Amino acid sequence: EAQLVESGGDLVEPGGSLRLSCGASGFTFSSFNMNWVRQAPGRGLEWISHISYGSTVIHYADSVEGRFTISRDNARNSLYLRLNNLRAEDTAVYYCAREKYYDYWIDLWGQGTLVTVSS
Amino acid sequence: DIQMTQSPSSLSASVGGRVTITCRASHDISNYVVWFQQKPGKAPKSLIYATSSLQSGVSSRFSGSGSGTDFTLTISNLQPEDFATYYCQQYKSYPYTFGQGTRLEIK
Repeated sequence: EAQLVESGGDLVEPGGSLRLSCGASGFTFSSFNMNWVRQAPGRGLEWISHISYGSTVIHYADSVEGRFTISRDNARNSLYLRLNNLRAEDTAVYYCAREKYYDYWIDLWGQGTLVTVSS
Repeated sequence: DIQMTQSPSSLSASVGGRVTITCRASHDISNYVVWFQQKPGKAPKSLIYATSSLQSGVSSRFSGSGSGTDFTLTISNLQPEDFATYYCQQYKSYPYTFGQGTRLEIK
């Protein structure tokens, strides 16, 4: 069964940094485009970043451009998100999400990891 | 960026009833819309992709329609497990954007 498991969420002070990880299993990770989507407490879904299966194409939302970095290690079946210069408004559950093979819609989500930015 | 305007933000309905949720895109997105269901404390789950195609394993009580800028999700014969929050999302271009969500409650 295909599965995504996020980790790395924590309480961090404003201006701090964090790295989130997402481990994939049950499918050929290296063949799939991946995304990060976040959800602030009590709020809606916000797409924040995309990386193609070979890391050749990367996109970011304006809200995180220049502060967050997406990457992947296909040999380790893992997706990452480096969060720098964190702000209170970055507090959210962060989900990794897989795009359907040879299509572009999100067909698989992880359970999410909570990032809290507070002093 | 493409804006997705979803309505209503909330609605209440009875078990056995039927509801329709609407999303309007700020630009023509052809049929590149996916609908998600999310229950409290859980990750979203895809229901409908490419406007009207049912994701594997999803009940046929869910259906989608539309094209261009106007899209709808219809849920028929509402069951207790359908009461959740629903989101549309366009995947025509990056940045992907979501509607604001519709909270469906039991009347």
